[in-house]
Amino acid sequence: QKEVEQDPGPLSVPEGAIVSLNCTYSNSAFQYFMWYRQYSRKGPELLMYTYSSGNKEDGRFTAQVDKSSKYISLFIRDSQPSDSATYLCAMKKTGNNRKLIWGLGTSLAVNP
Amino acid sequence: DAMVIQNPRYQVTQFGKPVTLSCSQTLNHNVMYWYQQKSSQAPKLLFHYYDKDFNNEADTPDNFQSRRPNTSFCFLDIRSPGLGDAAMYLCATSREHAYEQYFGPGTRLTVT
Repeated sequence: QKEVEQDPGPLSVPEGAIVSLNCTYSNSAFQYFMWYRQYSRKGPELLMYTYSSGNKEDGRFTAQVDKSSKYISLFIRDSQPSDSATYLCAMKKTGNNRKLIWGLGTSLAVNP
Repeated sequence: DAMVIQNPRYQVTQFGKPVTLSCSQTLNHNVMYWYQQKSSQAPKLLFHYYDKDFNNEADTPDNFQSRRPNTSFCFLDIRSPGLGDAAMYLCATSREHAYEQYFGPGTRLTVT
């Protein structure tokens, strides 16, 4: 079993839809949770990060962490064609280990 | 703008011919990472530097080496590229105790 599971999609939605992207994980030692956006042929770009449980909102984006269920989500409201990209979740344990554990990424297409 | 720069963006090399990829950063971050990313896969950490301390991942082939001559620059050397080494190579940086990593645009390596 992989430490982080993420449905690769692809996910296709109409413009203006609410998008829900999710990852599950198995290691309860993860404390830092990140979402990266990666456009085709570009490097990943940090979108949102959360420490431990709870919600975080930034404009049209909301990140949620449910540690009891080992489940994290990214919601995109009023999705735009420019949101079309691959979204990768990444997680890190506390301590000096700098390694991020990545999901496979979910490919999202927002259709005008 | 502070950023992570990778050169070249595209590199074609012949099977077995050594190749060097470069990364520079203006963020003044202590930590620099090299990742390999193949199509539809998550980034795979090859190694990272914390200042001048080199940290190799256990499953990184000996064919891959790295140099960090100063804070700003880091190089990835592939001594004898095989067809299986064709991939996107991503450089990333982070501050000493931070979990968020900042990525460059990547170098797409083709091996003929």
